Parts: sequence; C-alpha cells; structure tokens
Amino acid sequence: SQTIHQWPATLVQPVGSPLSLECTVEGTSNPNLYWYRQAAGRGLQLLFYSVGIGQISSEVPQNLSASRPQDRQFILSSKKLLLSDSGFYLCAWSVQADTIYFGEGSWLTVV
Amino acid sequence: SQKIEQNSEALNIQEGKTATLTCNYTNYSPAYLQWYRQDPGRGPVFLLLIRENEKEKRKERLKVTFDTTLKQSLFHITASQPADSATYLCALDRTNTGGFKTIFGAGTRLFVKA
Repeated sequence: SQTIHQWPATLVQPVGSPLSLECTVEGTSNPNLYWYRQAAGRGLQLLFYSVGIGQISSEVPQNLSASRPQDRQFILSSKKLLLSDSGFYLCAWSVQADTIYFGEGSWLTVV
Repeated sequence: SQKIEQNSEALNIQEGKTATLTCNYTNYSPAYLQWYRQDPGRGPVFLLLIRENEKEKRKERLKVTFDTTLKQSLFHITASQPADSATYLCALDRTNTGGFKTIFGAGTRLFVKA
C-alpha cells in the first residue's frame, strides 16, 4: 500500500532563518506531488505541484521554493522565512488527476 | 474570477439528523468534484468523488449530488453521529497542460451533538 511521510511535524523558526520540509511517498511510481499551506482557520492554498523529477510549477509568488530530486521525494524550502510563512504545510500525492492523498502535515511557527 | 464557496459558518445538528453541506463554484468547468474530511491538526482524507456526468453518488451514510447547471454540489450525512464532527472540504479539478491541480474550498465545520 502507498504511504506518505513528511517531516518535521512541528518546528519553530526565527524570522530570516532557512526552512526545509521534506516529504517522501512509498508504494507508487511517478506520482504527482503537491505542497499546500493552510493558515489558521483558512482553506488549503496550493503552493507547488510536480508531475516529474525536476518539474516544478508554482502557484503563487512567494519566498518559498520546491524541489523534486527523486521520483518520490518533494522538498519545500526557504532561504529566509517571514512571519507570514507560519502555517500548516501539507504534502500530498496523486496518481490520477483525481484523488489527493495527504501527509500528516507540518506545523511551522515563525517567530 | 474563479471561486469555490463553502459556508464559512459552522453547522450544528443533533445526532441522528441529516447534515447537508453546500459547495458552490464559479467560472470553473470541472470534470469532477470531490469531498474530503479534515480533523483538527490532521491532513484531509478523501471521502467521495463525483464526475460531471453523474448526478448522485452514495457511500454508506454519505451522499453527494452534483449539478453542473447550478454549479453546486451538496454533501449529505444521514443518521449523523458525534464522530462525524469535522471540517468538510470540497475540491475541484483544474487540469492544465503539463500537470494536474486540485483546488479546495475553505471548508465547513460540522458539529454533531449527542
């Protein structure tokens, strides 16, 4: 069966510090991969999606970036965090264009 | 502009009653629509998918309708239970060349009272 794992689960980072969130998917090949962000009490905002290694599409301009160095690995990064980057970050995958399977999420607090 | 709208106010119902949640969209022509459940502090979990050529779909106590003319989906939970309390998100596909993207509504919080 397929599983998705993202880490770390929680982190508190100072403004201006770097960020790296990692996500891996097991049990499937060539998945579509996604990073979403959910601010407190808000909906899911699509940040990045990828249909293959090295192929990244960005939804919104921001100081975040994403990379896909391997087929089932997706990384969200920032060189300098802003207070507004705080939120709940979710990695997700799909095979078809339909059902999205989410990880457990990473809580980021920028202080 | 494209919008997915769900009632931002929480829905409070009594155990055993039917909960009905609404999802409206504008300026989309989705091939399908999905419903997800999200518990606090957790990632959303897929519940049901309904395609544009389907009027209704059922799964156990869940029922989804899809009206492409009204641009609306209704999500029903019959014989609701306190364990059904959660936030329910609707989502649409927005297929573009070179990739697939699913866009989510903000969700409606459901509280089922015992």
